Amino acid sequence: QVQLVQSGAEVKKPGSSVKVSCKASGDTFRNYAINWVRQAPGQGLEWMGGIIPIFGTTNYAPDFQGRITITADDFTTTAYMELSSLKSEDTAVYFCARNSLPAAMLVYFENWGQGTLVTVSS
Amino acid sequence: EIVLTQSPATLSLSPGERATLSCGASQSVRSSYLAWYQQKPGLAPRLLIFDASTRATGIPDRFSGSGSGTDFTLTISRLEPEDFAVYYCQHYGSLITFGQGTRLEIK
Repeated sequence: QVQLVQSGAEVKKPGSSVKVSCKASGDTFRNYAINWVRQAPGQGLEWMGGIIPIFGTTNYAPDFQGRITITADDFTTTAYMELSSLKSEDTAVYFCARNSLPAAMLVYFENWGQGTLVTVSS
Repeated sequence: EIVLTQSPATLSLSPGERATLSCGASQSVRSSYLAWYQQKPGLAPRLLIFDASTRATGIPDRFSGSGSGTDFTLTISRLEPEDFAVYYCQHYGSLITFGQGTRLEIK
């Protein structure tokens, strides 16, 4: 059974960057895409982008292009999402999510991390 | 980008009743690439349905999905107390988008 464990809560200043990690265990890390989805307080879900570790290919949502970088470390089976130029509107819970279809990026998500709260405040 | 519109925003029903949640797409969804999730407060979403009508592993058969093209439906045949939550539809296959959610509350 796949488990995704995310890093802890962060408080950041406007204009700074945040990097959230997502450690996967349970099966072959590099074969399955890791995606990132965020949820602002009281709001819905918003897809941010994803990576397929075996290829290193990424796909980013248009709203985050230029501000987001998703990477993956096969050795530590950990994916990272870095978001820069933070604004108060970026305050949200950030989830990593995965499915069981090999090398498939834009699909549904069977497994989710527990979420990481990022608060952007001066 | 496909925009998904869920209705109603809030649905008030009693345990044992049937729930029907709708998800409309701004353009036709290729190959019925539509999923449904359940989310409870403070928790990550839980996959219920993918490919419009296939139940995910471990999902009770009171949950069913249907539809194609631009109109999709999630039906819960007989509501259990644990079913009261927020439900989201998701399009995939190209850029991923989510609906804004339907809150299913106890009447």
